[in-house]
Amino acid sequence: GAVVSQHPSRVICKSGTSVKIECRSLDFQATTMFWYRQFPKKSLMLMATSNEGSKATYEQGVEKDKFLINHASLTLSTLTVTSAHPEDSSFYICSAPLTGGSWEQYFGPGTRLTVT
Amino acid sequence: GENVEQHPSTLSVQEGDSAVIKCTYSDSASNYFPWYKQELGKGPQLIIDIRSNVGEKKDQRIAVTLNKTAKHFSLHITETQPEDSAVYFCAPNSGGGADGLTFGKGTHLIIQP
Repeated sequence: GAVVSQHPSRVICKSGTSVKIECRSLDFQATTMFWYRQFPKKSLMLMATSNEGSKATYEQGVEKDKFLINHASLTLSTLTVTSAHPEDSSFYICSAPLTGGSWEQYFGPGTRLTVT
Repeated sequence: GENVEQHPSTLSVQEGDSAVIKCTYSDSASNYFPWYKQELGKGPQLIIDIRSNVGEKKDQRIAVTLNKTAKHFSLHITETQPEDSAVYFCAPNSGGGADGLTFGKGTHLIIQP
């Protein structure tokens, strides 16, 4: 099956700093990727859709200036959490759909962000 | 948008018994019905899916059944094993991969030895 990776798997940062999370499709090209956030014992919530070569689209209630998304190539999307605060601590997960008739979406292993 | 309900929130079964998790949805345009398994600290993994032109699909111990008229689909796991313990999510959608997913709240499946 298709593989999606994320880096880093865990990160701890101090309040007020910025953190970048990478999402890569390793063996297929992804013009679209999705970013989700998951709080402990909760479901995944869609944050934004990352589009290669154009601006990301954000779900209602997600601050685009706080969660910067860049989809610079067909295999890489990055999520930067700017001026992080403790309430941003969460599990961030990306996904990418296969194209060409398959409807499956493949998820990365997630990034655990802890803001102290 | 899609309104997704998933039941039960927790399910505890004896090893070897069967488990059934149900997902109801609101959007009649949904025609792709995947189930994901998430282990602690990991991303979700697709375990089985079905499209709306099929009523049932089976893959070894796992099956999915769809009732499109009633807008619900179910995950069936038979002969449960300890490694089936995880959180399971449904995410009905219109397919094609163009849209992000709306997940159910999840079912924590516990397999008792």
